[in-house]
Amino acid sequence: EAGVAQSPRYKIIEKRQSVAFWCNPISGHATLYWYQQILGQGPKLLIQFQNNGVVDDSQLPKDRFSAERLKGVDSTLKIQPAKLEDSAVYLCASSLEISGYGYTFGSGTRLTVV
Amino acid sequence: GDSVTQMEGPVTLSEEAFLTINCTYTATGYPSLFWYVQYPGEGLQLLLKATKADDKGSNKGFEATYRKETTSFHLEKGSVQVSDSAVYFCSTGGFKTIFGAGTRLFVKA
Repeated sequence: EAGVAQSPRYKIIEKRQSVAFWCNPISGHATLYWYQQILGQGPKLLIQFQNNGVVDDSQLPKDRFSAERLKGVDSTLKIQPAKLEDSAVYLCASSLEISGYGYTFGSGTRLTVV
Repeated sequence: GDSVTQMEGPVTLSEEAFLTINCTYTATGYPSLFWYVQYPGEGLQLLLKATKADDKGSNKGFEATYRKETTSFHLEKGSVQVSDSAVYFCSTGGFKTIFGAGTRLFVKA
């Protein structure tokens, strides 16, 4: 089966600019996650969708980050305006459901804010 | 709140050595437990899982046993290879998934 697709792989922007990331999960996976992974750290959950509804966005900096999942399939994560501390890898993952199946991760988007 | 604590790395071993990476957790109830592996420039890949106490997850020679009494899920492999060099993450599952900080493993030929 096809994996979780993410684009772009790399992005370099200046602070205060905006950026968007795209994710296409595994077909049939109802649950989609966006994680932020800062160098040397474990992934931190930003937002979790179940179909096209938000389940958990408690750690999403809502003043600058937004995410949507239209039609319960693809998702986009946006940062506007970006700060230097947003430099990280943004990982998208999907799973069959919120439970004990584990996630399938995409390869991530490495964002560098200069 | 829930948390996952992994042994700090990097861990450096010679090929064919025995590997243990410690992981302990605190969580409400009895969540599923997972190990993921991350190779350079890639996302995390699910390595193994255990869904209840005393379950043993295994894959590619790696094993981990869900120990409820010690709230641990240590990763082991009897004989590591150079290709096992990667970062390993322990995590809880369920509604609130928490990842450890990761343990980097270097295996020398």
